[in-house]
Amino acid sequence: DSGVTQTPKHLITATGQRVTLRCSPRSGDLSVYWYQQSLDQGLQFLIQYYNGEERAKGNILERFSAQQFPDLHSELNLSSLELGDSALYFCASSGRRGGWDNEQFFGPGTRLTVL
Amino acid sequence: ELKVEQNPLFLSMQEEKNYTIYCNYSTTSDRLYWYRQDPGKSLESLFVLLSNGAVKQEGRLMASLDTKARLSTLHITAAVHDLSATYFCAVEGGSYNFNKFYFGSGTKLNVKP
Repeated sequence: DSGVTQTPKHLITATGQRVTLRCSPRSGDLSVYWYQQSLDQGLQFLIQYYNGEERAKGNILERFSAQQFPDLHSELNLSSLELGDSALYFCASSGRRGGWDNEQFFGPGTRLTVL
Repeated sequence: ELKVEQNPLFLSMQEEKNYTIYCNYSTTSDRLYWYRQDPGKSLESLFVLLSNGAVKQEGRLMASLDTKARLSTLHITAAVHDLSATYFCAVEGGSYNFNKFYFGSGTKLNVKP
């Protein structure tokens, strides 16, 4: 158990809908990262937040957005869903105060299926 | 954009044999991470390599980093079935603490008895 929690574990929805994925980082971690894992694209970095602020953006679509709240939990919002958005979405955390590296600890993931 | 290439992508090996997984990356970075993923599971951190020449070992796995060659290796010694999994390297690019992470495609390792 990495200490990172994600909800829900599974999500089935229809095209055009909007969903929200939630992540709680390890206690003390300030950074949260979101990733999308699919068979054809592999593991793609989407976005990073550090202590409530967006710090790095990867291959995140405009239909997707994220935020990190004062209690450091994060949410990833996916809207106007398409079939191709079906994937496993991971959240990871790192960056305890005083830490030197960005070793990431991954949550169990949310499997999104768009029908 | 930083590119990360792993090879081989698939590795089927016998128990007790040795083998090496390679991770090449395209631009300067001195921070590299190895992860393991079991089927249907999340990623588990294995090694953190933060400088040129860094070497870390845990059990039958040893990872090293050569930043000048932009190459990291994950060496497996005397493989056992429990090591069967997919192994990813991830390279960190940019300034400290605000980096993007670039993952390789993964190496799917199958250790046969």
